[in-house]
Amino acid sequence: SQQGEEDPQALSIQEGENATMNCSYKTSINNLQWYRQNSGRGLVHLILIRSNEREKHSGRLRVTLDTSKKSSSLLITASRAADTASYFCAPFVVGAGNMLTFGGGTRLMVKP
Amino acid sequence: DGGITQSPKYLFRKEGQNVTLSCEQNLNHDAMYWYRQDPGQGLRLIYYSQIVNDFQKGDIAEGYSVSREKKESFPLTVTSAQKNPTAFYLCASSPRDRYGYTFGSGTRLTVV
Repeated sequence: SQQGEEDPQALSIQEGENATMNCSYKTSINNLQWYRQNSGRGLVHLILIRSNEREKHSGRLRVTLDTSKKSSSLLITASRAADTASYFCAPFVVGAGNMLTFGGGTRLMVKP
Repeated sequence: DGGITQSPKYLFRKEGQNVTLSCEQNLNHDAMYWYRQDPGQGLRLIYYSQIVNDFQKGDIAEGYSVSREKKESFPLTVTSAQKNPTAFYLCASSPRDRYGYTFGSGTRLTVV
């Protein structure tokens, strides 16, 4: 498994603004997954992008993947106070136990 | 509805005592995982199991033990050998034929 590194560590924006979080990783992957964690809760799977995809949308979420730069970004458009949470990326490589390893995440605060 | 149930939500342990955290899933997932999360930090893998009666150590297995006697259940025992057990513990599962983890709501363990 390999760990993604999220950037920035913390992000504070006003409701209605867009939030962009970045993820970098080190080796070739099969897919990359994004998760959200509300305070004191478990993680929730948000979206998965495969290595042969460059962009994917799900509601207000847009994920991009640049395998040449080994990086991904998560964009939340028109943010809401309910989007306040920590966001984690998880690069996935088939084999080696098929585990996910999580970095420190990006803590997003959306102010009403 | 299918999901993962972790119990208890809060657990207090005296130093020197072993304690077992429960994790049960009714999703028919093959793989199950235990993670530890310290305040403001990412998740660290303790143990994982791909099939019944088989499990492997993760990055921080010392002081912990697990069993996988049934597909639905993956209990974690925090032994007295774990010197700093106070943390938030998360259990997750994943299916064989799809990507993405499903997480439980976590157990917060405090040593008193």
